[in-house]
Amino acid sequence: GENVEQHPSTLSVQEGDSAVIKCTYSDSASNYFPWYKQELGKGPQLIIDIRSNVGEKKDQRIAVTLNKTAKHFSLHITETQPEDSAVYFCAASLITGGGNKLTFGTGTQLKVEL
Amino acid sequence: DTAVSQTPKYLVTQMGNDKSIKCEQNLGHDTMYWYKQDSKKFLKIMFSYNNKELIINETVPNRFSPKSPDKAHLNLHINSLELGDSAVYFCASSLGRADTQYFGPGTRLTVL
Repeated sequence: GENVEQHPSTLSVQEGDSAVIKCTYSDSASNYFPWYKQELGKGPQLIIDIRSNVGEKKDQRIAVTLNKTAKHFSLHITETQPEDSAVYFCAASLITGGGNKLTFGTGTQLKVEL
Repeated sequence: DTAVSQTPKYLVTQMGNDKSIKCEQNLGHDTMYWYKQDSKKFLKIMFSYNNKELIINETVPNRFSPKSPDKAHLNLHINSLELGDSAVYFCASSLGRADTQYFGPGTRLTVL
């Protein structure tokens, strides 16, 4: 089955700096890679996703890059703000007619300091 | 509000008891899921239903039984609760089997 590794486990940046979180996956057939943000006491919230036919996707301060050959994908947050502080999860799945079974990484605690 | 909702938010119970967690979505989605998040925040899928049909069933003890009375509801019943069942359980839904999953607020289950 799929295995997703995520690094770093904790990340502390100064407000305004960029943050990068990296994930690798094991199943070369995986074709869907979402990123979720989880604030304390809340459920994960999708912030951006990318499918395997795209190498990069951007949404305002957030971007995701995918390298299918190396089987890794990264989340980039620019101009970080205190409200970006949360746990971020990457995930990977092979979407088939049988469904979308997300395998999550172990999470990155991002802290944006003033 | 349109959302995925879960009840209860907190559940504290004794070992051996049977309990249920309810999930409802009013997003008009066809597919619903249950995930378990352990104390280290690791998220793992348990089940998925599409139009009341079970489509994903991970290696979960038989004590866990999902029930989907209609496509807007997916409840989780747990028999003979054990200490290791303590976790946060998240319900999620998606428009179809291949679409973005939206998570509920979670139910924190504590087994004493």
